Amino acid sequence: DTAVSQTPKYLVTQMGNDKSIKCEQNLGHDTMYWYKQDSKKFLKIMFSYNNKELIINETVPNRFSPKSPDKAHLNLHINSLELGDSAVYFCASSTGRNTDTQYFGPGTRLTVL
Amino acid sequence: AQSVTQPDIHITVSEGASLELRCNYSYGATPYLFWYVQSPGQGLQLLLKYFSGDTLVQGIKGFEAEFKRSQSSFNLRKPSVHWSDAAEYFCAVVLFSGGYNKLIFGAGTRLAVHP
Repeated sequence: DTAVSQTPKYLVTQMGNDKSIKCEQNLGHDTMYWYKQDSKKFLKIMFSYNNKELIINETVPNRFSPKSPDKAHLNLHINSLELGDSAVYFCASSTGRNTDTQYFGPGTRLTVL
Repeated sequence: AQSVTQPDIHITVSEGASLELRCNYSYGATPYLFWYVQSPGQGLQLLLKYFSGDTLVQGIKGFEAEFKRSQSSFNLRKPSVHWSDAAEYFCAVVLFSGGYNKLIFGAGTRLAVHP
């Protein structure tokens, strides 16, 4: 009965590879987000989708491509992985209303070798 | 630009001692403020939030925070810390952009608890 789930939890890969992280929420929310947490624990928003449409894109390299097949899912595909992509990626969801809480998934730790 | 500052990168307290984690924000309008906690290897869990009304808000796990507009602060407090409170704590403010909102996080404060 996890509210926001992500797979995989850990991802280790070589530079230049392409990988995907999946996110699903069962809260009935309309809005989903991807955040990146770097090695210093700093959290920064990357993307946000509302009802399958991109609404926030925070100047992320176009190697990162989010895809939302339906409003319960927001996947993150990363092409040509670089060392600097190593981080923890968090998915979150909310109703999208201004005062609403964002609920976070457990995170995916990506390590690029 | 809107921002959140958590001045303390690392704090260590003894179990049973009181705790205050500082958070200052920079925002032109009335801010919507949050405190989240991240336990080791875990995702973020909401502790409490402030939108309006009573400036002292109660959260889960015995935490509370006080919004002080004059000081642009939203400090988190707990009267008696438990060893299980050791974690990373993040303060965040909602930024409204293009009709949608996004969270701007502070850099976090790592709390260590000595037995």
